[in-house]
Amino acid sequence: DGGITQSPKYLFRKEGQNVTLSCEQNLNHDAMYWYRQDPGQGLRLIYYSQIVNDFQKGDIAEGYSVSREKKESFPLTVTSAQKNPTAFYLCASSVRGGYGYTFGSGTRLTVV
Amino acid sequence: QKEVEQNSGPLSVPEGAIASLNCTYSDRGSQSFFWYRQYSGKSPELIMSIYSNGDKEDGRFTAQLNKASQYVSLLIRDSQPSDSATYLCAVKEEYSSYKLIFGSGTRLLVRP
Repeated sequence: DGGITQSPKYLFRKEGQNVTLSCEQNLNHDAMYWYRQDPGQGLRLIYYSQIVNDFQKGDIAEGYSVSREKKESFPLTVTSAQKNPTAFYLCASSVRGGYGYTFGSGTRLTVV
Repeated sequence: QKEVEQNSGPLSVPEGAIASLNCTYSDRGSQSFFWYRQYSGKSPELIMSIYSNGDKEDGRFTAQLNKASQYVSLLIRDSQPSDSATYLCAVKEEYSSYKLIFGSGTRLLVRP
């Protein structure tokens, strides 16, 4: 079955550590996105990519980095520069035209 | 800054009643609108999309769009306890092929 796979489901980060969240899709979608969701809040866009080897900053890109070397993969690195990384991270993808997103199951990141 | 506004709720309705969820948006040129359902701790799931003024029905769900007034609504008929979730409104930016702007969501509680 086609879909988006995020891993790990839960992730713990120590202070000063970089961590990478994985996102893989087999839907043949052109565009991929990373959102952050804090408790009781909506989705905030971190980065998005419309084609391979190209990506754009979203509204809250500081302290995060991404790559898009393959159409299927869009990993997100949470760097030590992100001072408050505890949140629920959602990866999504869409076809051209943005006819709605398909979301992965999410990664819950906690700073310990 | 383009915005999508929703009442955070909770909206509490008895089982079997009609739940009405509303959303307003600031980007007058937006053409595509989406409703997502998000259960606690889970990722959002697309339940309705609407692109033209008027009503669009799918089972117990009806999406309503009024571009002149810049609002979109979701009606849930015969509400069930399993409908208890947060409902996110999303609007595609006018000049973007892909980017959606999300509201912060309305929490719906359906009382048995």
